[in-house]
Amino acid sequence: AQTVTQSQPEMSVQEAETVTLSCTYDTSENNYYLFWYKQPPSRQMILVIRQEAYKQQNATENRFSVNFQKAAKSFSLKISDSQLGDTAMYFCAFMKQGGSEKLVFGKGTKLTVNP
Amino acid sequence: DTAVSQTPKYLVTQMGNDKSIKCEQNLGHDTMYWYKQDSKKFLKIMFSYNNKELIINETVPNRFSPKSPDKAHLNLHINSLELGDSAVYFCASINVGTSGGETQYFGPGTRLLVL
Repeated sequence: AQTVTQSQPEMSVQEAETVTLSCTYDTSENNYYLFWYKQPPSRQMILVIRQEAYKQQNATENRFSVNFQKAAKSFSLKISDSQLGDTAMYFCAFMKQGGSEKLVFGKGTKLTVNP
Repeated sequence: DTAVSQTPKYLVTQMGNDKSIKCEQNLGHDTMYWYKQDSKKFLKIMFSYNNKELIINETVPNRFSPKSPDKAHLNLHINSLELGDSAVYFCASINVGTSGGETQYFGPGTRLLVL
């Protein structure tokens, strides 16, 4: 069974600074996807970024980028130029590649961006 | 033009009652899910359906019965509600096998409070 671990229950960062959220996972699968989802106080689950395990290149989406280390089973999220709207819970998630697979989530990191 | 919608958004009810939550997606996806987010924000899969067929049933009490009348709809009926059923229930959908498209999109969630 797959597991996802987020070791930082809470983090804070000053506006405009950079912050990195950690995620490790355990799997025996070779083909899978990794995701970061954001959940602001509105409760909506919003996809931040996605990484295919077969791609060596790290995914980037504007101010968000990942450091994907497949051998180490590590998948950290870097947020650059943090904004107040980045305040949210961030969930790391794993999904096997294939049909109708489930997302396996970490316990989340609560990020607060301070003005 | 909401992609994944859920009704109701809030549900307050008494222990022992029966209630239903509805989910609809207009993305043309073929697989839909129910996830439960507990009071500690932990998200866990409950069920998934692919083209109206139950694919995942993850050790959920049989008081919970999902139904998928067509691939755009997935409902969740809960019998004999218990205090521990209080949670946020998320619906999600995905198009399996779409190249580069295996990302789950979430509805806004239904907050259920059992008194």
